[in-house]
Amino acid sequence: KAGVTQTPRYLIKTRGQQVTLSCSPISGHRSVSWYQQTPGQGLQFLFEYFSETQRNKGNFPGRFSGRQFSNSRSEMNVSTLELGDSALYLCASSPGQGLTEAFFGQGTRLTVV
Amino acid sequence: GNSVTQMEGPVTLSEEAFLTINCTYTATGYPSLFWYVQYPGEGLQLLLKATKADDKGSNKGFEATYRKETTSFHLEKGSVQVSDSAVYFCALSSSGGSYIPTFGRGTSLIVHP
Repeated sequence: KAGVTQTPRYLIKTRGQQVTLSCSPISGHRSVSWYQQTPGQGLQFLFEYFSETQRNKGNFPGRFSGRQFSNSRSEMNVSTLELGDSALYLCASSPGQGLTEAFFGQGTRLTVV
Repeated sequence: GNSVTQMEGPVTLSEEAFLTINCTYTATGYPSLFWYVQYPGEGLQLLLKATKADDKGSNKGFEATYRKETTSFHLEKGSVQVSDSAVYFCALSSSGGSYIPTFGRGTSLIVHP
């Protein structure tokens, strides 16, 4: 059974640009969650999508947005990048809501210069 | 709001030593508790979980007991191996209103031969 796939693995962007990250969940999983991991703030929840609907949202500015497609694949977009957005962005998929049975991808390492 | 507090690391042990990583939490409702492990360059992997008070989660020699009276979920292993070197995250997912997960800051474990 294929795991959670995140693309790209590494990304370098310039301040002010925007970026789109992709996550393909495990087959049959309908929930996709996104997290930001930084040395300073640790692991923080961004948002969760289930059946194309955002169900939960963390405390991040509106520059961070996402969506989920009918095949459960999800994308996360960050607009007007700031240096502080440099982080490892992790995606997790699960059959249901919350952390139970959540499987994480390897992450996308975003560097903003 | 919900919070998870873990002991700061790194924790450095010799192979076959006993491991304890402390975790305490604050949450509304009746949270489920989790330990995740992150190996270098990888995403998070679920290590074990407990969904109600007095439950004991266990996996790969690791154990943790859900203690509601002390709001704790300490991770233990009787004999660590070099391959256990990783970062360990305590987390909770609360059913009180939403399933937004909360993670601790992570504890780095280094095991020497």
